[in-house]
Amino acid sequence: GESVGLHLPTLSVQEGDNSIINCAYSNSASDYFIWYKQESGKGPQFIIDIRSNMDKRQGQRVTVLLNKTVKHLSLQIAATQPGDSAVYFCAENTGGFKTIFGAGTRLFVKA
Amino acid sequence: DTAVSQTPKYLVTQMGNDKSIKCEQNLGHDTMYWYKQDSKKFLKIMFSYNNKELIINETVPNRFSPKSPDKAHLNLHINSLELGDSAVYFCASSQPTQLNEQFFGPGTRLTVL
Repeated sequence: GESVGLHLPTLSVQEGDNSIINCAYSNSASDYFIWYKQESGKGPQFIIDIRSNMDKRQGQRVTVLLNKTVKHLSLQIAATQPGDSAVYFCAENTGGFKTIFGAGTRLFVKA
Repeated sequence: DTAVSQTPKYLVTQMGNDKSIKCEQNLGHDTMYWYKQDSKKFLKIMFSYNNKELIINETVPNRFSPKSPDKAHLNLHINSLELGDSAVYFCASSQPTQLNEQFFGPGTRLTVL
């Protein structure tokens, strides 16, 4: 069945360090993989997506890597800042109107 | 400028009651969604609408009835509320050409007593 999961439920990093948030998925038919950030008391916010025919995509301070061989997705945040503290969700979309979200990883940034 | 707004932000009610949550987006998007987020932060899609038409209904009980009077609004009515309905409900919108980039509202925390 379809599922998107995470290796680590919580991650604590020092301000200024790089963060890596990991995600495993099982549906090889997904067209897109997406990362969302949810700050406390707010709705999720789109960060970046990657199409299934790519293995890397970079945004502002973020990089998403896709390894289809092992069905693994990661989000790298460079020079992590206190404002990056949030819950991060990976999600997948098979090209339709349904997006499946993973369980989420809480990122703590220590000052 | 609020892109996706929901009312109310908090809703506390008794079991068996009927309640509604309203959602409006001013982004000009054609596609709108309702999600349910449980206490463990798990986020699950409930409904997707495109151009006011229901596209996705994720085996949600019939007690939940979405209504889209126009493309800018997607309201959620819940009948006979149960304890298990307690959660945070998020409305979202996107363009059908960019389904990955969904814009979420601030959420409505529903507590059923």
